Amino acid sequence: DAGVIQSPRHEVTEMGQEVTLRCKPISGHDYLFWYRQTMMRGLELLIYFNNNVPIDDSGMPEDRFSAKMPNASFSTLKIQPSEPRDSAVYFCASRMGQGRTGELFFGEGSRLTVL
Amino acid sequence: RKEVEQDPGPFNVPEGATVAFNCTYSNSASQSFFWYRQDCRKEPKLLMSVYSSGNEDGRFTAQLNRASQYISLLIRDSKLSDSATYLCVVRLNDYKLSFGAGTTVTVRA
Repeated sequence: DAGVIQSPRHEVTEMGQEVTLRCKPISGHDYLFWYRQTMMRGLELLIYFNNNVPIDDSGMPEDRFSAKMPNASFSTLKIQPSEPRDSAVYFCASRMGQGRTGELFFGEGSRLTVL
Repeated sequence: RKEVEQDPGPFNVPEGATVAFNCTYSNSASQSFFWYRQDCRKEPKLLMSVYSSGNEDGRFTAQLNRASQYISLLIRDSKLSDSATYLCVVRLNDYKLSFGAGTTVTVRA
C-alpha cells in the first residue's frame, strides 16, 4: 500500500522565493496534518484538515505560510516569501477518523533549505 | 513551559543492555500517550501506545504515571537496530498530538 507521499524531498532556495510543498495522503484517510521539525523546536503542528476543510491553523507561524487541500488526495503548503528561518523538515501526516488512536502516518518529509 | 519534555540524551549503551528514559507532560487533562520512533533523517513512526496499567511489546515496556504526569520507556536486551530517537507523544484532544523533542539512544556493538 502506498503511504503518505510528499514532494519535493529536498529543496534549496534563496530567500524571498516562493516554496510549494506537496502531499498526497493515504487513500481513505480523512485527516491531514502539516508538521515542521527543527533541532531547536522539535515537531510543531502547523495546520490540520478534516475532510479537506482546514480546522486549526493556529500553528502557522505567520501570513507567509498558507495551506490548501483542494481534494481528498492532495494538499499543498506554500511559503511566500521564504526566509532562512523557515529552513526545516516539513512533514505531512494523515490518519483515519477520530478516536483514541495516536497513529499518524507520516510522509518521508520535505527538507527545505532557504539561503 | 513545554507541553512535553524529554531528556535529549544521548543514551549510549552496549548491545544487550537495558536502557530506560522518561518524559513529563504538563497538561493533566491529556487523554492518551504514545511512543514514536524516528530514525536518522526519516519520518516518525508509532512504536507503541502507553496504557494506564503499563504494557509491553516484546523488549519494550511502557509505563504511565498520571499522578506525577510522566511516561517511561524501557528497552531490554538492546539491539543495534534500536538506535534511534524516541519521541514521547501526548494526545490532548481528538486531533492534537503534542510531540516531545525526543531522546536519542545509541546502541554500540
